[in-house]
Amino acid sequence: GQNIDQPTEMTATEGAIVQINCTYQTSGFNGLFWYQQHAGEAPTFLSYNVLDGLEEKGRFSSFLSRSKGYSYLLLKELQMKDSASYLCAVVGGDYKLSFGAGTTVTVRA
Amino acid sequence: GAVVSQHPSRVICKSGTSVKIECRSLDFQATTMFWYRQFPKQSLMLMATSNEGSKATYEQGVEKDKFLINHASLTLSTLTVTSAHPEDSSFYICSVLDRDYEQYFGPGTRLTVT
Repeated sequence: GQNIDQPTEMTATEGAIVQINCTYQTSGFNGLFWYQQHAGEAPTFLSYNVLDGLEEKGRFSSFLSRSKGYSYLLLKELQMKDSASYLCAVVGGDYKLSFGAGTTVTVRA
Repeated sequence: GAVVSQHPSRVICKSGTSVKIECRSLDFQATTMFWYRQFPKQSLMLMATSNEGSKATYEQGVEKDKFLINHASLTLSTLTVTSAHPEDSSFYICSVLDRDYEQYFGPGTRLTVT
């Protein structure tokens, strides 16, 4: 089966940096996605990692270590609109996505 | 990428009735679509894989006779919740698998069964 763990909640101040960790144990691996989801809305794509290393995209960066089964999403210069749930999702050997439970990030002024 | 729509966005139905949810791939011919369900404050759970022109593949624990999936064309998959009950109330989201094996999500359908 698939096992994906990420923290339930994180709180940070506007302008700060937050790092959301994700560890996984899956049957096969074809990449890892990070999605942002606001309440009542569908997930929106943030990043995709399939090779080890850091992918940077504006204020968001994502890191992957396949040997450790570990990824993180780094949010810089936090803004109030970044308050949302962040989902770690792993593509298994069958190309199906398995999602973590999501991390709710609350940005405070 | 792919642009995906769902209809309806919200539906309220009475217990025992059936509800059909449509998922459309607007700019991409999708051989494969996925259907997910998300309960409040929980993550997305894959229900089934919808394959154009063939039977859907259901995940363990999902009743195929209750959640009917039809993928009759490359742009449309439908999920019918038959004999809906209050415990079926959830957020249903579809996604389209593109040629790069990336998934693009529809906006979701909020189902409330009274």
